[in-house]
Amino acid sequence: NAGVTQTPKFQVLKTGQSMTLQCAQDMNHNSMYWYRQDPGMGLRLIYYSASEGTTDKGEVPNGYNVSRLNKREFSLRLESAAPSQTSVYFCATAFGSVFQPQHFGDGTRLSIL
Amino acid sequence: DAKTTQPNSMESNEEEPVHLPCNHSTISGTDYIHWYRQLPSQGPEYVIHGLTSNVNNRMASLAIAEDRKSSTLILHRATLRDAAVYYCIAGGGSQGNLIFGKGTKLSVKP
Repeated sequence: NAGVTQTPKFQVLKTGQSMTLQCAQDMNHNSMYWYRQDPGMGLRLIYYSASEGTTDKGEVPNGYNVSRLNKREFSLRLESAAPSQTSVYFCATAFGSVFQPQHFGDGTRLSIL
Repeated sequence: DAKTTQPNSMESNEEEPVHLPCNHSTISGTDYIHWYRQLPSQGPEYVIHGLTSNVNNRMASLAIAEDRKSSTLILHRATLRDAAVYYCIAGGGSQGNLIFGKGTKLSVKP
């Protein structure tokens, strides 16, 4: 998935630890999204950013914070990780905000013990 | 967003056409129909989208029923690399986000 880079690819945390998931894009897209995907389920929106400096909560924002550092980067932070946050996290970007095709990274696989 | 219904799984033979159905009977007049696919251990990949007319691109074709209550994604010649979960999405969330269901898992046999 050229254009949307997520780091790290894998991470194991202990309950209560904090960490930041990074997402960077070189597609010059305005909108960026964070989704989580649990086993056997579709993706659910955590947070969304329509442009640099703006962020909005999605369907499942509790326990997360985000930062849109600039147009290229959108980070997701877990302040105090919980086992329920074990999931695969995907970052996505789109040129506009109204149902433009979205481009996804390869995901971060996060396990919290 | 409109609820979508897709078969849980489908099988196809390599180099044969595949028709993946999707029902979205509660779709509104302004809801686009999107198809994404997700290969194992990868993020979702955009396939195609449309509103009313049938659409073609290098990956697939999208056939939309005249009443827009259903659509079909057509892969003209399935390859082993097309084995994936295919998601049909009608409309979306208020923030322009995509609302994914469980999709159809497509298996392709050599």
